[in-house]
Amino acid sequence: AQSVTQLDSQVPVFEEAPVELRCNYSSSVSVYLFWYVQYPNQGLQLLLKYLSGSTLVKGINGFEAEFNKSQTSFHLRKPSVHISDTAEYFCAALPQGGSEKLVFGKGTKLTVNP
Amino acid sequence: ETGVTQSPTHLIKTRGQQVTLRCSSQSGHNTVSWYQQALGQGPQFIFQYYREEENGRGNFPPRFSGLQFPNYSSELNVNALELDDSALYLCASSRLAGVAGELFFGEGSRLTVL
Repeated sequence: AQSVTQLDSQVPVFEEAPVELRCNYSSSVSVYLFWYVQYPNQGLQLLLKYLSGSTLVKGINGFEAEFNKSQTSFHLRKPSVHISDTAEYFCAALPQGGSEKLVFGKGTKLTVNP
Repeated sequence: ETGVTQSPTHLIKTRGQQVTLRCSSQSGHNTVSWYQQALGQGPQFIFQYYREEENGRGNFPPRFSGLQFPNYSSELNVNALELDDSALYLCASSRLAGVAGELFFGEGSRLTVL
């Protein structure tokens, strides 16, 4: 079985500051990893994904994440946030070789203040 | 390209009633997954349909059932509603043979059970 832990439920930051949203996973098999963003009253949108290859992956809106197999982590980062980045962010894992059954963390609410 | 659409967007039911939620998948997608997102939680996988057959199920009781139609649209049915069924229900479509985890989500149907 897989589980995903997002270590911070809320992260407040000021505009133009850097931010890191932390995600750890647990799995008995290899997994693919994802970050999704959910704006208020909307569905989820894929930010970025790690399938294989380079451990540093870049996504939309200037976000990037680094896969660390030894620490079973997949932290999301952005060097300079905007007010419009205020949203809920979800880390998710997908066991390799299975169907599309994503296992999500509980989410991190990012609030960017002026 | 038409995205994933869900209906209704909001609905209120009482305990014991039955509800049907609908989802139209994105053009070219043959797989539909349903997720339940309770308040303050990450989405939880309910089940997935591929070519009109259930292709995996999460830890949900049998009163949660679904259908997929030949045009790949889908329904989620919940019988004997309980208060804990109050949640945002998200539909996601994908190509099963496509990029792993590349799910495209609708905006959800928010169900309130009184």
